[in-house]
Amino acid sequence: DAKTTQPPSMDCAEGRAANLPCNHSTISGNEYVYWYRQIHSQGPQYIIHGLKNNETNEMASLIITEDRKSSTLILPHATLRDTAVYYCIVRVDTNAGKSTFGDGTTLTVKP
Amino acid sequence: NAGVTQTPKFQVLKTGQSMTLQCAQDMNHEYMSWYRQDPGMGLRLIHYSVGAGITDQGEVPNGYNVSRSTTEDFPLRLLSAAPSQTSVYFCASRLGKRGSSPLHFGNGTRLTVT
Repeated sequence: DAKTTQPPSMDCAEGRAANLPCNHSTISGNEYVYWYRQIHSQGPQYIIHGLKNNETNEMASLIITEDRKSSTLILPHATLRDTAVYYCIVRVDTNAGKSTFGDGTTLTVKP
Repeated sequence: NAGVTQTPKFQVLKTGQSMTLQCAQDMNHEYMSWYRQDPGMGLRLIHYSVGAGITDQGEVPNGYNVSRSTTEDFPLRLLSAAPSQTSVYFCASRLGKRGSSPLHFGNGTRLTVT
């Protein structure tokens, strides 16, 4: 599985968009990009995933560059409850595809 | 809809003791996995299974055994606990046949080995 690189921490003002970057320069054609977040010490929560196209759901948007070597998770209107550790993962599209978690980005939303 | 259920939530062991962390899912997921998370760190994969009767090692398998006799259950066994195994353990599952399926996590077991 490809490795990902994320900044260790970011701040965002409440109500503003939070843009979390992720580099995955060695991603393969059959690897998906997934984003999860972990609030306090709870189990990680799935946010969104994509392969080539940009994706949007009720929680966030995912922008994947055309060469697929990087992506950005966008929380359009961050709230204090979005303070969490955000993990970007790439995983091969097979039954045995493993999800390897790095240290993620700690996002702090400030009032 | 229970999802992924882990028991116990908390456990304290003495060095050398053995125990089994339980994980059960009711979503008919083929893929199940165990992670550990040390303070301030990300999750590290211990073992995983792509279906009943099939298991494989992850990044940090030493000191842990697993088995998968049913689709629903994936227990993690510590045969002789060591202080280095003090951590939070998360079980996760997903659909196996479809590649683009996200992981569903349990709420974790917080283990302290003294």
